[in-house]
Amino acid sequence: AQSVTQLGSHVSVSEGALVLLRCNYSSSVPPYLFWYVQYPNQGLQLLLKYTSAATLVKGINGFEAEFKKSETSFHLTKPSAHMSDAAEYFCAVNGRENRDDKIIFGKGTRLHILP
Amino acid sequence: DTEVTQTPKHLVMGMTNKKSLKCEQHMGHRAMYWYKQKAKKPPELMFVYSYEKLSINESVPSRFSPECPNSSLLNLHLHALQPEDSALYLCASSQDTAADPYNEQFFGPGTRLTVL
Repeated sequence: AQSVTQLGSHVSVSEGALVLLRCNYSSSVPPYLFWYVQYPNQGLQLLLKYTSAATLVKGINGFEAEFKKSETSFHLTKPSAHMSDAAEYFCAVNGRENRDDKIIFGKGTRLHILP
Repeated sequence: DTEVTQTPKHLVMGMTNKKSLKCEQHMGHRAMYWYKQKAKKPPELMFVYSYEKLSINESVPSRFSPECPNSSLLNLHLHALQPEDSALYLCASSQDTAADPYNEQFFGPGTRLTVL
């Protein structure tokens, strides 16, 4: 069954430092992968998505992610953290294995930005 | 218009009340979703409507009753809820997987529900 695993429920980085949020996936079919961000008391906003067109995907707010099939990973990075990046981040995979409309979410990583 | 709107933003209800949550999108999407999200957890899928027909019910208790009156509108009727049903209820929409195999879902801001 398809799944995603996010390593680290909490990550803290200093303002201006590199942000790295880890996501590993499991899928028997080529996956479609997403990163969503959720700010406090808000809905989810799509940061970026992997659709097999390119392994390095650029998203909004300066984030990018690289798909590595050999490592079954889709880690999210940003070169320089801003205070406004503090939020919950969810990695997700499209439920293509079951040919349904589901998206399977990871457990989330809370990103804390230290001044 | 690339928005999914949800009303109300906040709802407090007693266990004997009947209330409804509303979700609307005008992106021409043909799939709509209800999710429940507890604090510090990912969203949990409750229902999926595809072309206005219920296609997935994730074994949700009958005190939650979804309705899709038309392709733009999705309701969630609530009756005899329990305090443990307090959560953020998120609506989402997407083009159906036939039109968009990636199934990118667009989320609304949610309704914060408190059951007393």
